[in-house]
Amino acid sequence: EADIYQTPRYLVIGTGKKITLECSQTMGHDKMYWYQQDPGMELHLIHYSYGVNSTEKGDLSSESTVSRIRTEHFPLTLESARPSHTSQYLCASSESGGSNQPQHFGDGTRLSIL
Amino acid sequence: AQSVTQLDSHVSVSEGTPVLLRCNYSSSYSPSLFWYVQHPNKGLQLLLKYTSAATLVKGINGFEAEFKKSETSFHLTKPSAHMSDAAEYFCVVSRDTGRRALTFGSGTRLQVQP
Repeated sequence: EADIYQTPRYLVIGTGKKITLECSQTMGHDKMYWYQQDPGMELHLIHYSYGVNSTEKGDLSSESTVSRIRTEHFPLTLESARPSHTSQYLCASSESGGSNQPQHFGDGTRLSIL
Repeated sequence: AQSVTQLDSHVSVSEGTPVLLRCNYSSSYSPSLFWYVQHPNKGLQLLLKYTSAATLVKGINGFEAEFKKSETSFHLTKPSAHMSDAAEYFCVVSRDTGRRALTFGSGTRLQVQP
């Protein structure tokens, strides 16, 4: 069982609020990722990190930002939430090494912006 | 560039009958391939991975997949479906860029009828 945790699991909040989605892993993985997944759809990479102080944007443009101050922690922030941000957000991590390293996923945060 | 095509968006089988979930990929190099399963309101769990060793890969819960380079396929099978297998299944290919991230298929929803 992978040790990667996301909080909150569900969040319903009004437009314009600042939101931070938490993601923590206890496996010591250098690489961490954020994906956005709409219902019944595939995952789209929005942010990734190779290690502390290393973050890059993914394929899908996102108004969110991320930080990686500690290896185990990779929070995602929305400064001003909008209804278009309603989605499921999945965090993942993997070991360093080649592309054959599988990613371990958290249970996700289901975000609804009213 | 890599891409993944899951040929069926929905598959329905009866409990105790075989499962076949189809996946074709394209890649400019020898990729790593994965199958993940996602149960409702949960994150993704790794079922199995192919990393250029044996072409027949055995995973958890009785699933297996066969890598066929000539057909660019990586179909997922299970001899006998169980009710607990009902979930969304994603075929995933690794990327050949420095991002070391994954490209996800659009998913196949497996229904298991009693």
